[in-house]
Amino acid sequence: DAGVIQSPRHEVTEMGQEVTLRCKPISGHDYLFWYRQTMMRGLELLIYFNNNVPIDDSGMPEDRFSAKMPNASFSTLKIQPSEPRDSAVYFCASSLSLSNQPQHFGDGTRLSIL
Amino acid sequence: GENVEQHPSTLSVQEGDSAVIKCTYSDSASNYFPWYKQELGKGPQLIIDIRSNVGEKKDQRIAVTLNKTAKHFSLHITETQPEDSAVYFCAARTLGSSNTGKLIFGQGTTLQVKP
Repeated sequence: DAGVIQSPRHEVTEMGQEVTLRCKPISGHDYLFWYRQTMMRGLELLIYFNNNVPIDDSGMPEDRFSAKMPNASFSTLKIQPSEPRDSAVYFCASSLSLSNQPQHFGDGTRLSIL
Repeated sequence: GENVEQHPSTLSVQEGDSAVIKCTYSDSASNYFPWYKQELGKGPQLIIDIRSNVGEKKDQRIAVTLNKTAKHFSLHITETQPEDSAVYFCAARTLGSSNTGKLIFGQGTTLQVKP
């Protein structure tokens, strides 16, 4: 069975540009999570969805960040406009349920904002 | 909210030795504790997890123990091999007052197994 698929794997862009990260969760998983990983702050939850509906976006750093899940097999995380401090690895994860079920992570998007 | 502390930040062992990584958590309502292994350029991969109604769980060379009273849990790797070298993360999940069930991660431990 395919795992969580993220694209692109690497993104380099100049500050001010719009960045869109994509995620395809594992089929049948009702929960989708977006995380950001940096050396300073470790793994941080940005937002998560249940059945395509955003449940908790308290980790989204600023209004420049937005996330959508138009259907059960696709989600996007958008940064507009991007800034150098947004440089990080962004992970998407999915799980069957919230309680006592593991989250399965994709291999991430390494984002560099110049 | 929940806070997870992980120690040590780096750990170097000789091949064949055991490695132990420890985590403490702050929220007594936490009920699920997974451990993830992250290799370079990859996402975190679940290696073992434990629920709050269990004190110990073992899977081949990997074991996890949980002490709910002291609010700490540990990962034990026996007979370490070079391919065990990676960054290991502990995490805790609580349903919490808002019932959101977030996973809160420790800061990670870089394990190096020397051949």
